[in-house]
Amino acid sequence: DAKTTQPPSMDCAEGRAANLPCNHSTISGNEYVYWYRQIHSQGPQYIIHGLKNNETNEMASLIITEDRKSSTLILPHATLRDTAVYYCIVGGYNKLIFGAGTRLAVHP
Amino acid sequence: NAGVTQTPKFRILKIGQSMTLQCAQDMNHNYMYWYRQDPGMGLKLIYYSVGAGITDKGEVPNGYNVSRSTTEDFPLRLELAAPSQTSVYFCASSYSTGGRETQYFGPGTRLLVL
Repeated sequence: DAKTTQPPSMDCAEGRAANLPCNHSTISGNEYVYWYRQIHSQGPQYIIHGLKNNETNEMASLIITEDRKSSTLILPHATLRDTAVYYCIVGGYNKLIFGAGTRLAVHP
Repeated sequence: NAGVTQTPKFRILKIGQSMTLQCAQDMNHNYMYWYRQDPGMGLKLIYYSVGAGITDKGEVPNGYNVSRSTTEDFPLRLELAAPSQTSVYFCASSYSTGGRETQYFGPGTRLLVL
């Protein structure tokens, strides 16, 4: 499974867009990019995933570069409840390898 | 749907004791997983199952055992508890299709081994 690199922490003002980057330069052609988040000590929550094309759902947007070596998760209007650890994961086929993630702090 | 449920929520064990962490899902998912999360760290896969009767090791299987006799249940067994097994344990399930999958996680079991 490909490895990912994320910044350890980020800050965002409430109401602004939060853009969380992820590098996955060793991704292979059939591997998906997944984003999960973990609020406080709860179980991780699925956000979004994609293969090649950009994706959007009710929670976020996922932008994947054309060479697929990096991606960005966008929370369009961050709220205090979006404060969490965000995990970028590359792989699939029944195994998600979680790294340390990015700790996003949304402040008033 | 209750989703993924885990019991107990919290448990204190003495070194050498054994226990079973229970996990159940009501979404008819074929795949189930056990993870552990140490403080400040990401999740590590312990064991997973692709269907009833089929299990396989993850990244950190030593000290644990699993079984999957039904689609719904996936218990995790600790035979001889050690302080290194102090952690939060998460169970998850998914319906996998061709490499794409969304895992649904339970609320976790906090285990303290003293």
